[in-house]
Amino acid sequence: DVKVTQSSRYLVKRTGEKVFLECVQDMDHENMFWYRQDPGLGLRLIYFSYDVKMKEKGDIPEGYSVSREKKERFSLILESASTNQTSMYLCASNQGTKLLAQHFGDGTRLSIL
Amino acid sequence: TQLLEQSPQFLSIQEGENLTVYCNSSSVFSSLQWYRQEPGEGPVLLVTVVTGGEVKKLKRLTFQFGDARKDSSLHITAAQTGDTGLYLCAGAASGTYKYIFGTGTRLKVLA
Repeated sequence: DVKVTQSSRYLVKRTGEKVFLECVQDMDHENMFWYRQDPGLGLRLIYFSYDVKMKEKGDIPEGYSVSREKKERFSLILESASTNQTSMYLCASNQGTKLLAQHFGDGTRLSIL
Repeated sequence: TQLLEQSPQFLSIQEGENLTVYCNSSSVFSSLQWYRQEPGEGPVLLVTVVTGGEVKKLKRLTFQFGDARKDSSLHITAAQTGDTGLYLCAGAASGTYKYIFGTGTRLKVLA
């Protein structure tokens, strides 16, 4: 079974802090994604990566950056956390074709105080 | 910007009832997926539909992709409490690796 592991289930940080969310997948998938999930808005794509060191902006990249130095690991960085970044963050991965499932981690619930 | 609207947003029904959830867009998608998410977990894929008009069945769940590939529906027959969860549709945007997720339908099935 594919395993996507997010480093923290819950995280509390203060405004202005630099925050790192880590995601690791164990199936050698090419594509990795970061979403945020807010009630009534569904999942919104922040960034995705289709190869090591490759990244593309999603629909809401402002205030975020990403890093993919190794194929199995995709990090989301909040450069200077703000309260409007309080949310559930979900990482996903899949193989090259869009017909295949995205496999999700269990999410990180991030609170910015 | 491609958008996917789901309806209804919330649904509470008794065990044994039937229900339909809709996923609509003004955009054409090359394929569409349905996911179910349970509390404290990430979404899990239920089905992928690719061809306009395609119908797929997964036990008591029936999925249909619209002829024009702009909309989809999920029908559940004789709902069970285990069907409770958040149902999400996701359309594959043309020419990129991106998926556009719908706004979600939160289903609660009461015993």
